[in-house]
Amino acid sequence: DSGVTQTPKHLITATGQRVTLRCSPRSGDLSVYWYQQSLDQGLQFLIQYYNGEERAKGNILERFSAQQFPDLHSELNLSSLELGDSALYFCASSVARGRLGETQYFGPGTRLLVL
Amino acid sequence: EDQVTQSPEALRLQEGESSSLNCSYTVSGLRGLFWYRQDPGKGPEFLFTLYSAGEEKEKERLKATLTKKESFLHITAPKPEDSATYLCAECSGNTPLVFGKGTRLSVIA
Repeated sequence: DSGVTQTPKHLITATGQRVTLRCSPRSGDLSVYWYQQSLDQGLQFLIQYYNGEERAKGNILERFSAQQFPDLHSELNLSSLELGDSALYFCASSVARGRLGETQYFGPGTRLLVL
Repeated sequence: EDQVTQSPEALRLQEGESSSLNCSYTVSGLRGLFWYRQDPGKGPEFLFTLYSAGEEKEKERLKATLTKKESFLHITAPKPEDSATYLCAECSGNTPLVFGKGTRLSVIA
């Protein structure tokens, strides 16, 4: 158990819908990262937040957005869902300083299926 | 563009048959090279972080090494429970982690 929690574990929805994925980092970690993992693309970095502020952005679609709240939990919002958005979504957190090169600890993931 | 290449894509070993997995990275200014283990449907589990060429780290049957261009994950006398996908990732520039596509390891009893 990494100490990172994610809810829900599974999500089934329809095209065009909007969903919210939730992540709680390890105690004491200020940085939260979101990743998407699909069969053909592997693990892809989406976005990083550090202490409530956006720190780095990867291959995140405009239909996707994220935020980190004062209690440090984070939410990833996916809207106008398409079949191709079906994937595993992982959250990770790292130790308090939020610098590059820190070890990231991953949560168990949310499996999203868009029908 | 940063790129991490892992080989082989899949590896099948007999129990006790030692081998190595390769991870090549192309970026300069490496700030960290990471190894994770991932079981099907689960989140990646952290194994090692390497920061400079020549560095080595060990954990049970696993040993990770780093050169200026690549990293190796050596598996000594593997057991069936070592079966998993092993992911390599690099950290540099503005992107926290760039992952390779992984090596699927199967260890047969």
